[in-house]
Amino acid sequence: DQQVKQNSPSLSVQEGRISILNCDYTNSMFDYFLWYKKYPAEGPTFLISISSIKDKNEDGRFTVFLNKSAKHLSLHIVPSQPGDSAVYFCAASGRETSGSRLTFGEGTQLTVNP
Amino acid sequence: NAGVTQTPKFRVLKTGQSMTLLCAQDMNHEYMYWYRQDPGMGLRLIHYSVGEGTTAKGEVPDGYNVSRLKKQNFLLGLESAAPSQTSVYFCASRSRPYNEQFFGPGTRLTVL
Repeated sequence: DQQVKQNSPSLSVQEGRISILNCDYTNSMFDYFLWYKKYPAEGPTFLISISSIKDKNEDGRFTVFLNKSAKHLSLHIVPSQPGDSAVYFCAASGRETSGSRLTFGEGTQLTVNP
Repeated sequence: NAGVTQTPKFRVLKTGQSMTLLCAQDMNHEYMYWYRQDPGMGLRLIHYSVGEGTTAKGEVPDGYNVSRLKKQNFLLGLESAAPSQTSVYFCASRSRPYNEQFFGPGTRLTVL
């Protein structure tokens, strides 16, 4: 039972354009969502998050949108840069989740072409 | 401030051998986690700990054991390694009031 799903294994965009990464979830108890970025041979690093009481959170070039009715969130990167090329994971947690565990999606490989 | 460190970085085992992966954090975090990452499957939680002396099972605990004798260390043990345990293992920690987890650099384990 995949509770967090990233349906696109890969995405390729041109430098300077917008990158949109998508994530869907099924568990209505999730109330906090995070995006992590991972470079090869490194651990994931936290990028941006959003609470379920909001529908948008922005941090520089990165914006996360949450659509609770559709159980969908997306990460927008504008403008995209070659250094953004990495695997992006979305993750979710809920107040009722023991240990505040995170449930991760499968990841999307973003490639930004110069 | 080293953050989260993992030892070793790489290891090759034969089927049936045992080993222990060490995770250490210097951020005084209460919670610690062990994940495995396999192609196309994201990160899956193996075991976690909400404090010194406590551990709990995650999503894929079979074949692994853990211990948290000190707040800063979280050990993951494989008693009898199997080829299915070939993976990249990540440790993470977080502070109680916050949701963000901080990850170590990973351990790449191959079981032949």
